[in-house]
Amino acid sequence: NAGVMQNPRHLVRRRGQEARLRCSPMKGHSHVYWYRQLPEEGLKFMVYLQKENIIDESGMPKERFSAEFPKEGPSILRIQQVVRGDSAAYFCASSPRSGRDEKLFFGSGTQLSVL
Amino acid sequence: KNEVEQSPQNLTAQEGEFITINCSYSVGISALHWLQQHPGGGIVSLFMLSSGKKKHGRLIATINIQEKHSSLHITASHPRDSAVYICAVSEGGADGLTFGKGTHLIIQP
Repeated sequence: NAGVMQNPRHLVRRRGQEARLRCSPMKGHSHVYWYRQLPEEGLKFMVYLQKENIIDESGMPKERFSAEFPKEGPSILRIQQVVRGDSAAYFCASSPRSGRDEKLFFGSGTQLSVL
Repeated sequence: KNEVEQSPQNLTAQEGEFITINCSYSVGISALHWLQQHPGGGIVSLFMLSSGKKKHGRLIATINIQEKHSSLHITASHPRDSAVYICAVSEGGADGLTFGKGTHLIIQP
């Protein structure tokens, strides 16, 4: 019974490139959350998705960032034209139901480094 | 917007000591989560509570809704408890969690 799987664990990009971060939720979980942890700062909510729907993207920058959770396959967080300030750890969490009062299961994170 | 404050920011203790980490928040919540983040970066959910007290092994979490305060206790602490402990709250009408900045705990043998 695999947990939440994120890949890659580490991703290095040069400024201006695209970064794609993947998250496979736990089996049976249809709710996915993305969080960002900047160096020396706490975790910040980015986006909440259900299968094929974005429920809340209030924490995600309006430009360059997008997220999807297709019917088949993992959830993807996409960052276009990365800048140094995007360097952070990105965590995905999943839950079987709407997560407001549900225990969340976290992945190991993707550490993005922008050169 | 909820403000989540944790104290202390850093805590170093000797093996066997009783540990208390505090969390306070500014706006009413529907649930509070305690998370553990190990040096490797992975995050584990320890507790989710909306009232009272929960216990799991050597860990105890309490919450006082009226005072907007929660505590995480570790009994008989061990070096393997060394980690960052993060408090997070979920609020009515919002689906994402609001996090504290974490408490860095080091347990020395």
